[in-house]
Amino acid sequence: KQEVTQIPAALSVPEGENLVLNCSFTDSAIYNLQWFRQDPGKGLTSLLLIQSSQREQTSGRLNASLDKSSGRSTLYIAASQPGDSATYLCAVMGNYKLTFGKGTLLTVNP
Amino acid sequence: DAGVIQSPRHEVTEMGQEVTLRCKPISGHDYLFWYRQTMMRGLELLIYFNNNVPIDDSGMPEDRFSAKMPNASFSTLKIQPSEPRDSAVYFCASRWDWTSKQYFGPGTRLTVT
Repeated sequence: KQEVTQIPAALSVPEGENLVLNCSFTDSAIYNLQWFRQDPGKGLTSLLLIQSSQREQTSGRLNASLDKSSGRSTLYIAASQPGDSATYLCAVMGNYKLTFGKGTLLTVNP
Repeated sequence: DAGVIQSPRHEVTEMGQEVTLRCKPISGHDYLFWYRQTMMRGLELLIYFNNNVPIDDSGMPEDRFSAKMPNASFSTLKIQPSEPRDSAVYFCASRWDWTSKQYFGPGTRLTVT
């Protein structure tokens, strides 16, 4: 059974700092990996999708990497802003289903 | 596109009552998913459909839960009878195929008293 772990569970940083969120998964037989953002009381917004054949994806200040063989992904956020404060969830796709981690709660302080 | 639409956004009901949650997926998406989110357990997949057919309902907690998708633009999740432990946020999500991004609705916050 696939298990997804996200470290740290919570992170607080000053505005402008570059930061890395970590995701690990136990079964490397995945089709793709997706990073989501969830604001309090809201649904999930897809940030980046990395197919299993890819190593990384970039969107603006966000960069996600995937090392399928070691079961790891990172989400890099450059020049963090208070508006980046949210919970970030990692999810891996296997057998047509996404398995989610429990997320990292990020707080960016002005 | 309006995205995935869910209704109601909030539902408060008494234990034993029937609850029906509704979802309209993004047009053209062939996969529809129902999730439940709680602080303790995180996001759990309850059931998913492909082309309106239920494929995997192994996440449905018990017989009190049922889901239907009568057509490509509408799905329901029903809880009968509801219990306090069913209190959670229920999300509907859809995707075009199994390699594409998954899009979530805003969720229904269910409180059973």
